[in-house]
Amino acid sequence: DTGVSQNPRHKITKRGQNVTFRCDPISEHNRLYWYRQTLGQGPEFLTYFQNEAQLEKSRLLSDRFSAERPKGSFSTLEIQRTEQGDSAMYLCASSLSQGTSYNSPLHFGNGTRLTVT
Amino acid sequence: AQSVTQLGSHVSVSEGALVLLRCNYSSSVPPYLFWYVQYPNQGLQLLLKYTSAATLVKGINGFEAEFKKSETSFHLTKPSAHMSDAAEYFCAVSAAFGNEKLTFGTGTRLTIIP
Repeated sequence: DTGVSQNPRHKITKRGQNVTFRCDPISEHNRLYWYRQTLGQGPEFLTYFQNEAQLEKSRLLSDRFSAERPKGSFSTLEIQRTEQGDSAMYLCASSLSQGTSYNSPLHFGNGTRLTVT
Repeated sequence: AQSVTQLGSHVSVSEGALVLLRCNYSSSVPPYLFWYVQYPNQGLQLLLKYTSAATLVKGINGFEAEFKKSETSFHLTKPSAHMSDAAEYFCAVSAAFGNEKLTFGTGTRLTIIP
């Protein structure tokens, strides 16, 4: 169990640029989640995948945001035309879901801190 | 829909004193409840979880929490604070039978006074 890995740890970008973050979940986990955390707040749900299928997206995920998990393993979160309000910590988490028989807790990565100048 | 309210955005206790962090939940279905800890510039680490088995839940690092349905509470306690407990603590709720869409509280920053 190497844990959830997120890259990069920090990203500074100018307003209007596109950015992409990567998340590598725990290898046997079939669910992957993206959360956003702004200063002084708790994490807010953005979206989640079961294997490669994106099952739910929050209303926080505007059309400038897109997430993929093409082979059911790693995931990417892209933000197009970044705005200063996008500055936040973006957290990835993974879990193992086996229907009603077992669901593991979420395991979080260390996050990617985005600063939009 | 589920939500949690954490009372007190900052709590300070002396080293060796009791730690009490408060969390109240609202849920239209039986909830699963969690406490996570976050150290600076790190992700969240699970401390403990309530999944409708025992109402008193023991977690890592000496923490425990008690589910009280009548009070809709899930407060986190530790008998004796240690300097290494200084961190941000988040209470979270999800619908039973699933871990998707954890809804977090706004967090409580715990400071330990030497």
